[in-house]
Amino acid sequence: QVRLQQSGPGLVKPSQTLSLTCDIFGDSVSGNSVAWNWIRQSPSGGLEWLARTQFRSKWYHDYAKSVQGRVTINPDTSRNQFSLHLNSVTPEDTAVYFCARTWSYGIDIWGQGTTVIVSS
Amino acid sequence: DIVMTQSPLSLSVTPGEPASISCRSSQSLLYTNGHNYLDWFLQRPGQAPQLLIYLGSNRASGVPDRFSGSGSGTDFTLKISRVEAEDVGIYYCMQAVDSPRVTFGQGTRLEIK
Repeated sequence: QVRLQQSGPGLVKPSQTLSLTCDIFGDSVSGNSVAWNWIRQSPSGGLEWLARTQFRSKWYHDYAKSVQGRVTINPDTSRNQFSLHLNSVTPEDTAVYFCARTWSYGIDIWGQGTTVIVSS
Repeated sequence: DIVMTQSPLSLSVTPGEPASISCRSSQSLLYTNGHNYLDWFLQRPGQAPQLLIYLGSNRASGVPDRFSGSGSGTDFTLKISRVEAEDVGIYYCMQAVDSPRVTFGQGTRLEIK
């Protein structure tokens, strides 16, 4: 059974970098039929896709336009995990952040979520 | 981006009664392979979303058969034949035809009367 376990700080200061990690159990970050995502949920409940990484003979990364230029997604095959780095954060980046797996038909497995508050 | 619109935004249902949630997309979710890339999720309080339905009408593993999905193109419906207390939460539809740029509906909050 596939499980995703998230880790990372819950409080980040404005202008600093938000960094989260997602450990994968029961699947491989470099699997050629899956992809790995970061999605966030605003305090009002709206869900927003942020980034995706997938391995298809080489690594491909995709980013949402809303955070492009500030966001990086990094796979780590040695630890079977992937991470999110979002720099220059503002209070508008306060949200619950989820990692999630894409399979053939959409998104199926989610991490438990990490509440991140941006505040000084 | 494809805009997803759900209705109603909240629902109060007596246990044992049916419930229905509509989801409309700003573009067709029907892909060239004949599949509609529309998923339904339930987010219970304090939890991550849980996949209920994929490709518009396929129940995910372990999902009770009181949940069903239907629709094609731009109009989709999630139905619960007999609501139970454990069905409380927020229901989201999500389009995956524009993957990786998936987008979600605003959510429909279901409560028990």
